[in-house]
Amino acid sequence: NAGVTQTPKFRVLKTGQSMTLLCAQDMNHEYMYWYRQDPGMGLRLIHYSVGEGTTAKGEVPDGYNVSRLKKQNFLLGLESAAPSQTSVYFCASSARLDGCEQYFGPGTRLTVT
Amino acid sequence: AQSVTQPDIHITVSEGASLELRCNYSYGATPYLFWYVQSPGQGLQLLLKYFSGDTLVQGIKGFEAEFKRSQSSFNLRKPSVHWSDAAEYFCAVGNAGGTSYGKLTFGQGTILTVHP
Repeated sequence: NAGVTQTPKFRVLKTGQSMTLLCAQDMNHEYMYWYRQDPGMGLRLIHYSVGEGTTAKGEVPDGYNVSRLKKQNFLLGLESAAPSQTSVYFCASSARLDGCEQYFGPGTRLTVT
Repeated sequence: AQSVTQPDIHITVSEGASLELRCNYSYGATPYLFWYVQSPGQGLQLLLKYFSGDTLVQGIKGFEAEFKRSQSSFNLRKPSVHWSDAAEYFCAVGNAGGTSYGKLTFGQGTILTVHP
């Protein structure tokens, strides 16, 4: 039982390049989330999904897109990376009837130069 | 809108000393409350949670937290800190109803340093 996994662990992009971060969970959770973590700002919600085929905007969605084609996977895309998107990205999942308790992946450290 | 404030950015304690990390929240109803811990370079691990019932909750690694509705607080405590407790700690409040069910709002985090 791997829990929540994220791919890749590290990435360096040049401004304007695109990439996709993959999150996978094997707990059959309905809800999945993408956060970014910046020093002194805690975790801020980018996008989330309450089920396969559905996504919604969080607190800081600009510059990101997401897709949830399969229940176990949640993809975060950057179409044209900017230095302001340099951050650590965390994926999380939770069960619909589990009162918001979220399980986190190990994170992806992204640097945009 | 819900919000969480952790007033202390950085706390330093000696090993064996007691610890209290403060958390204040703003939420319109009875909240779901959480404390997570993050070791350097790692993801977040759940320490404990409060949904309802007994206002003093026990968590892993010897931590406990007390929900005080009158003070809108959910402070984390440990009677005797170990060097391995050095990490960053996050308080979070969860939305228990409506279309935002399941979403967490995090505080800014408190970095704990433990001196030998």
